[in-house]
This record gives sequence, C-alpha cells and structure tokens, in this order.
Amino acid sequence: GENVEQHPSTLSVQEGDSAVIKCTYSDSASNYFPWYKQELGKRPQLIIDIRSNVGEKKDQRIAVTLNKTAKHFSLHITETQPEDSAVYFCAASMRGTALIFGKGTTLSVSS
Amino acid sequence: GAVVSQHPSRVICKSGTSVKIECRSLDFQATTMFWYRQFPKKSLMLMATSNEGSKATYEQGVEKDKFLINHASLTLSTLTVTSAHPEDSSFYICSARDPALDTIYFGEGSWLTVV
Repeated sequence: GENVEQHPSTLSVQEGDSAVIKCTYSDSASNYFPWYKQELGKRPQLIIDIRSNVGEKKDQRIAVTLNKTAKHFSLHITETQPEDSAVYFCAASMRGTALIFGKGTTLSVSS
Repeated sequence: GAVVSQHPSRVICKSGTSVKIECRSLDFQATTMFWYRQFPKKSLMLMATSNEGSKATYEQGVEKDKFLINHASLTLSTLTVTSAHPEDSSFYICSARDPALDTIYFGEGSWLTVV
C-alpha cells in the first residue's frame, strides 16, 4: 500500500520568511496530492491540491510542486504570517481510494 | 454548510460499553466512506474503507470485530467501537468522496473518551 513520508516534523520561521514542507510517496499509481491544515480537534482544512498531470500549482502565497519521477511533492508558503502557524499534513491517493497522510509538520511563525 | 456531517462530536463512555459514531453525506451519494483515527499530536491513520452494501475493508492491525462498520445506505456509514477500553480514546474522523466532483470531504470528527 501507499506510504507517505513528511519532513520536517517541526519548522520555525520568522514572519515574512518562506516555509517549505516536503513529502515523498511510494505508490507510483497515486495521482492526487492534497495539503491540509489542521487545528487540534478539528477536521482537516484543504489548502491546496495537485493532480499528477500538473507539475506546479499556486494560490496566492501557497504553492505546491510535484515531481512524479522522484515521487515527491512540496508545499511552499511565502511571506509567512503568524496565522500560518498550524499543523500541516500532506496526503496521497489514487482516484477513489483513501487518502494516506504524512505524519504532519508543526509550523511556527514568530513575529 | 457541511457536506459531510459526523455525530456525536464528543462522547464519553464507560469501559466495556459500545459507542456508535455516524457519518452522513448531506449533498451527495457516497458509495465509499473512510474512517480515520487520530491520537493527539499524531497523524490521521486510516482504519477502514466503508463500502455501501458490502463489508468494510480494514487496514492491517485494525480489529474488525472491535470496530464495526456499517454502510447500509449511500449517505450513512457508522462506526461502532465495541467493548471500549481507555486506550480506544481518540479522535475519530470520517471522510467521503463526492464522485461527481471528485472531491473528498471530512466530517467534523468525534472525540471519544473511555473512562
């Protein structure tokens, strides 16, 4: 089955800096790669996703890149703000199957 | 509003009793729903895939007799934690895929505390 590795587990940046979180996956058949932000005890909130026919996708300060050959994808947050502080999860799946999550990254943005 | 609704949001039960958690898709028919468990400061771990009208598919290490999943209709899946023990205390969350939009939605999650 699919296995998703996520790094780093914690990340501390200064406000205004960029943050990058990286994930690798094992199943080459996976074709959907979302990123979620989660507050404790709340449902995950989708912040951006990418499908295997696209190499990069951007939404304002957030971007995701995908390298299918290397089986890794990354989340990039530019101009970080304190409110970006949260736990972020990457995930991977094939169409119709369950999302398999990485272990999460706790991002802290200090002002 | 929420397109996947999960109830209850919080439940406390005594050791040895059973508790049922419901997951409903409100705006679409979900032939497949997924159940996850999340311990504090940990990731979402897939427990099982719930298939409408057939048996659930459980992940390795998840006891199917302890975590009973029923998906009797296209809009409702239930997870019953049987003979609950304190170590079953966790955040349980469901998700469902809208096939028309190819989008996955999560329920609000349920905090289970076994005392």
